[in-house]
Amino acid sequence: GESVGLHLPTLSVQEGDNSIINCAYSNSASDYFIWYKQESGKGPQFIIDIRSNMDKRQGQRVTVLLNKTVKHLSLQIAATQPGDSAVYFCAEMGNINTPLVFGKGTRLSVIA
Amino acid sequence: DAGITQSPRHKVTETGTPVTLRCHQTENHRYMYWYRQDPGHGLRLIHYSYGVKDTDKGEVSDGYSVSRSKTEDFLLTLESATSSQTSVYFCAISGLGSQGLVNYGYTFGSGTRLTVV
Repeated sequence: GESVGLHLPTLSVQEGDNSIINCAYSNSASDYFIWYKQESGKGPQFIIDIRSNMDKRQGQRVTVLLNKTVKHLSLQIAATQPGDSAVYFCAEMGNINTPLVFGKGTRLSVIA
Repeated sequence: DAGITQSPRHKVTETGTPVTLRCHQTENHRYMYWYRQDPGHGLRLIHYSYGVKDTDKGEVSDGYSVSRSKTEDFLLTLESATSSQTSVYFCAISGLGSQGLVNYGYTFGSGTRLTVV
């Protein structure tokens, strides 16, 4: 719900602009990374994933970039729309048998 | 999300009472997880299961227990609820599903909002 969004960093963008959401992860041995979108009152929803042997992966209007040197992950959203307004989480996994560890999230606010 | 349901959706309970939250899946996924979500902390893992009767602790397991007697159900119990356990609880599933497809990305339920007064 809305209370989950308290204390989160917020990114405000104009409708139609591109958005870039950043995430620093903690485990240099992590093999798998995922971005999730969470709308108010709902559970997190899978957006896109990337394995550690890649540095870029594209989906529909979204691109994930992985920089293992500095342990940084970013999510780019092209032509941001009002429906993109949500909280975005990055998550990392050491390997497929270990649970996901989530970042604290960023709130994206799209200005019409 | 289709295939995973949590119950109840909302619950208010008194300090010291036991509470059980239920997660039910119809996807036949091997792995199930319980996370809690609090302002400023994101999602934190409580317990997870990698098969029937196989469970392990997560980051914030104190005060919680789980059981998985069959593939489709994963129960989270607060043995004696405290105000610090007021939170939104999410269940998630992953792994090889009924269609033979591997789902490494988790599918989350809609959450249970628990208030301990």
